[in-house]
Amino acid sequence: AQSVTQLGSHVSVSEGALVLLRCNYSSSVPPYLFWYVQYPNQGLQLLLKYTSAATLVKGINGFEAEFKKSETSFHLTKPSAHMSDAAEYFCAVSDPSSGGYQKVTFGTGTKLQVIP
Amino acid sequence: DTEVTQTPKHLVMGMTNKKSLKCEQHMGHRAMYWYKQKAKKPPELMFVYSYEKLSINESVPSRFSPECPNSSLLNLHLHALQPEDSALYLCASSQKSTGSGGYTFGSGTRLTVV
Repeated sequence: AQSVTQLGSHVSVSEGALVLLRCNYSSSVPPYLFWYVQYPNQGLQLLLKYTSAATLVKGINGFEAEFKKSETSFHLTKPSAHMSDAAEYFCAVSDPSSGGYQKVTFGTGTKLQVIP
Repeated sequence: DTEVTQTPKHLVMGMTNKKSLKCEQHMGHRAMYWYKQKAKKPPELMFVYSYEKLSINESVPSRFSPECPNSSLLNLHLHALQPEDSALYLCASSQKSTGSGGYTFGSGTRLTVV
């Protein structure tokens, strides 16, 4: 079974500082990995995805993530935090062998607070 | 059109009521999903439809009844719910294939059972 673990349920950074949200995965086969963002009372929005092409993945809003097989990690980073980045972030894994649909498993989420 | 539209945005219902949640997408996605999200928790999968057929039911109580009338529409019929069913209900869709595309989510229906 596929799973992801997000380290840190809350992360606080100052505006302009580096954002680092951690995600480690467990998978018996090469997985597909995703980061989603959720603003209050909204659905989830796909930030970026890893699908076995480039290991450094660039997403929307200046975010990027690096797939490291040796560390089974897929951490999310952004060089400079903006106030608008304050939200809940979910790491997720998909089983490539689902067949016809995606069964995505979400991590427990990390709430990012940006301090002015 | 790259959106998933959910209606209504908010719903308050009594425990004896019958109501329905609606989800619509026009991206040609052939897989559609219902997720339930409690406060401060990740989304939990309820149902998966692939090519309008129910593929997964994650042991959801029968008071929740999904329906997929066509490839663009997904409904969730609600009957005799309990207060603990109050949550954000999210619909999502994805392309049919290998799972690499990610989901497109709707903005959800905030359900309150009184």
